Amino acid sequence: GQQVMQIPQYQHVQEGEDFTTYCNSSTTLSNIQWYKQRPGGHPVFLIQLVKSGEVKKQKRLTFQFGEAKKNSSLHITATQTTDVGTYFCAGPRNQGGKLIFGQGTELSVKP
Amino acid sequence: NAGVTQTPKFQVLKTGQSMTLQCAQDMNHEYMSWYRQDPGMGLRLIHYSVGAGITDQGEVPNGYNVSRSTTEDFPLRLLSAAPSQTSVYFCASSGFSYGYTFGSGTRLTVV
Repeated sequence: GQQVMQIPQYQHVQEGEDFTTYCNSSTTLSNIQWYKQRPGGHPVFLIQLVKSGEVKKQKRLTFQFGEAKKNSSLHITATQTTDVGTYFCAGPRNQGGKLIFGQGTELSVKP
Repeated sequence: NAGVTQTPKFQVLKTGQSMTLQCAQDMNHEYMSWYRQDPGMGLRLIHYSVGAGITDQGEVPNGYNVSRSTTEDFPLRLLSAAPSQTSVYFCASSGFSYGYTFGSGTRLTVV
């Protein structure tokens, strides 16, 4: 079945350094979503990418969807302590409503 | 709007007991899902629904039942609790082609 793989599992950075997490699917995705979960909290929706090659920015966060719509990345420029948490990608399996998550990348930021 | 409301927030069960985790949303969303989150395993889909009266299995459905008699409510039933079901459970809902809104979670311990 469709799998969504995410790497790395953990990333420790110094405040001010950049951070990137990668997401790969075994099948073509109709869209990909990104979520952030703060420690002890619940996942919060960040963004959805739909088009092949799409790039979207939210302040210091840049999201990309691959040309083949099988991979995606999230890049954070100049990390801050407020960026701490786990970042998940998620893709729909078959019809809508069935959303499969990657394993997540846990980001820690040292001040 | 309250968003997605989950109850209870914490629960301890004995092996073999049954219980229902409640989930309600007030956003008139068609899609609702239940996920469990275990350390290092990301978010795994248990069951999902694309509308009232329609449910389907996710990645890890064994030991759980769901029903969707109304648009607002999507309860998750544990039939006979096992220690392997110790986890954090999240309910989530979304409209068509939108990101999911998650509840605050239920921390379940089975002893």
